[in-house]
Amino acid sequence: GAVVSQHPSWVICKSGTSVKIECRSLDFQATTMFWYRQFPKQSLMLMATSNEGSKATYEQGVEKDKFLINHASLTLSTLTVTSAHPEDSSFYICSARVSNQPQHFGDGTRLSIL
Amino acid sequence: AQTVTQSQPEMSVQEAETVTLSCTYDTSENNYYLFWYKQPPSRQMILVIRQEAYKQQNATENRFSVNFQKAAKSFSLKISDSQLGDTAMYFCAFSGGNAGNMLTFGGGTRLMVKP
Repeated sequence: GAVVSQHPSWVICKSGTSVKIECRSLDFQATTMFWYRQFPKQSLMLMATSNEGSKATYEQGVEKDKFLINHASLTLSTLTVTSAHPEDSSFYICSARVSNQPQHFGDGTRLSIL
Repeated sequence: AQTVTQSQPEMSVQEAETVTLSCTYDTSENNYYLFWYKQPPSRQMILVIRQEAYKQQNATENRFSVNFQKAAKSFSLKISDSQLGDTAMYFCAFSGGNAGNMLTFGGGTRLMVKP
């Protein structure tokens, strides 16, 4: 149980394009989802915390208008990278929280901006 | 704010041997959780083991065990009988309050198990 599905797993697009990444909890309801970013050979850095039905809480240094997060239901959160540029190329990972249990991670999305 | 430090960027171990990965952290909280995550080349994040700070007994999961020294704020991971499939990045992580709160990760240790 506690499966988190992230889609797409890999996306390549042109500079200036907006890209949407979906994070779904398949067999449980997640009141909180988290979005992380991981550059090559580096650790995961929390970008934002997403609570169902409310605005996301962004970490310092993360542009709210650049990385739009929507958590419209208890099973779906989306991250939209707006007007993506090559420096936005990275590995994006979501996770979902169930009560007081450890977070369950999606398999990540590799974003490449040309 | 919490910080998590992994002082070993890379380590290697022979198959069937034992290896210990180091992790230290800094926090002013009394109630928190510590985790070790494994990230193989597939980049999937796999929870290896977790420790509640209020528990004195060290957590164990099969070949994986931790040495939790609360006063020293140290949380090392011991892998016994290392297997080739243990080759991966290992991240130490901290969560304050409860196990589902936001995670602060260490910089990671790349472990290579050699045949």
